[in-house]
Amino acid sequence: DVKVTQSSRYLVKRTGEKVFLECVQDMDHENMFWYRQDPGLGLRLIYFSYDVKMKEKGDIPEGYSVSREKKERFSLILESASTNQTSMYLCASSERPGEREKLFFGSGTQLSVL
Amino acid sequence: EDQVTQSPEALRLQEGESSSLNCSYTVSGLRGLFWYRQDPGKGPEFLFTLYSAGEEKEKERLKATLTKKESFLHITAPKPEDSATYLCAARSGSARQLTFGSGTQLTVLP
Repeated sequence: DVKVTQSSRYLVKRTGEKVFLECVQDMDHENMFWYRQDPGLGLRLIYFSYDVKMKEKGDIPEGYSVSREKKERFSLILESASTNQTSMYLCASSERPGEREKLFFGSGTQLSVL
Repeated sequence: EDQVTQSPEALRLQEGESSSLNCSYTVSGLRGLFWYRQDPGKGPEFLFTLYSAGEEKEKERLKATLTKKESFLHITAPKPEDSATYLCAARSGSARQLTFGSGTQLTVLP
């Protein structure tokens, strides 16, 4: 089974802190994604990556950056956390091109910014 | 702009009471309609992909159907373990990624 592992289940940070969310997948997937999930708003794409060292902006990239130095790892960075970034963050991966939409998700990181 | 709307927001059923969840989409040139299941505290889990109007997919008590404007997830004789949030998502020909609906939270009472 594909496994997508997010490093933290819950995080509490202060406004202005730099926050790192880590995600690792074990199935050699080329594509990796970061979403945030908020009640009533559904899943919104922050950033995605189709290859190592490659990244593309999603629908809501402001205030975030990403890093993909190795194929299996995709990190989401909040440069200066703000209260409106309190949310559930979900990492996902998918198989070869053409199968991009069959996403495998991690369990999520619930981030609270105080 | 691509839009996906799910209804109802929440649904409570008695065990064995069949029903349907709705997913209405407005996308240009649908390239795929996806259903996911999400349990509390977990990430979404893939259920189905539908590509063209008239297509149907089944898995246990679930059946997904697709028309040119909407998709339905039919749940036949549900059990309490079917309780979850069901998400649908659509990909248009012009968009590189999925547009998700906000989900239907299903509760099946024993």
